Amino acid sequence: AQTVTQSQPEMSVQEAETVTLSCTYDTSESNYYLFWYKQPPSRQMILVIRQEAYKQQNATENRFSVNFQKAAKSFSLKISDSQLGDTAMYFCAFMNAGAGSYQLTFGKGTKLSVIP
Amino acid sequence: DTGVSQDPRHKITKRGQNVTFRCDPISEHNRLYWYRQTLGQGPEFLTYFQNEAQLEKSRLLSDRFSAERPKGSFSTLEIQRTEQGDSAMYLCASSGPTSGDRTDTQYFGPGTRLTVL
Repeated sequence: AQTVTQSQPEMSVQEAETVTLSCTYDTSESNYYLFWYKQPPSRQMILVIRQEAYKQQNATENRFSVNFQKAAKSFSLKISDSQLGDTAMYFCAFMNAGAGSYQLTFGKGTKLSVIP
Repeated sequence: DTGVSQDPRHKITKRGQNVTFRCDPISEHNRLYWYRQTLGQGPEFLTYFQNEAQLEKSRLLSDRFSAERPKGSFSTLEIQRTEQGDSAMYLCASSGPTSGDRTDTQYFGPGTRLTVL
């Protein structure tokens, strides 16, 4: 079974600064996908960024980028130029791509507060 | 594309009652998922449909829980004889073959918050 660990329950960052959220995972699979989802207070979960494990290049979406270290099983999220709207719970998630199972395994989340 | 919708958004019930939730996926998506999220935790997988077939169920899905997806469109999740431990947010997500997306990204609905008194 896969496990996903987010070791930072809460973090804060000043507006316009950069913050990095950590995620590690444990799996014996070689083909998988990784995701970061954002869940604003009382609002629905939305996709931030995704990474295919076979790709060595780190994914980037505007102000959001990842540092994917496959050997270390690490998948951190960097948010640049933080904005007040980035305040949310952030969840790291894993999907095994090879087994015909599409379930996501989530970490416990990191609560990010952006301070004006 | 109106996104994934769920109904009701909130449900308060008394212990022992039955409840049913509905999920309408994104129209072109053939896969539909149910997750449960308790306070301070990440979502946990419950079950998954491809079209009308229920292909995977978690051990979390006790025999009091049943899910259906007739005709491969909307889905319902029923909980019989509710217990206080069933209090949680129930999330629905959908995904499907999308050109250029090999990861089969799941898109989530707003959830149904269940409170069992």
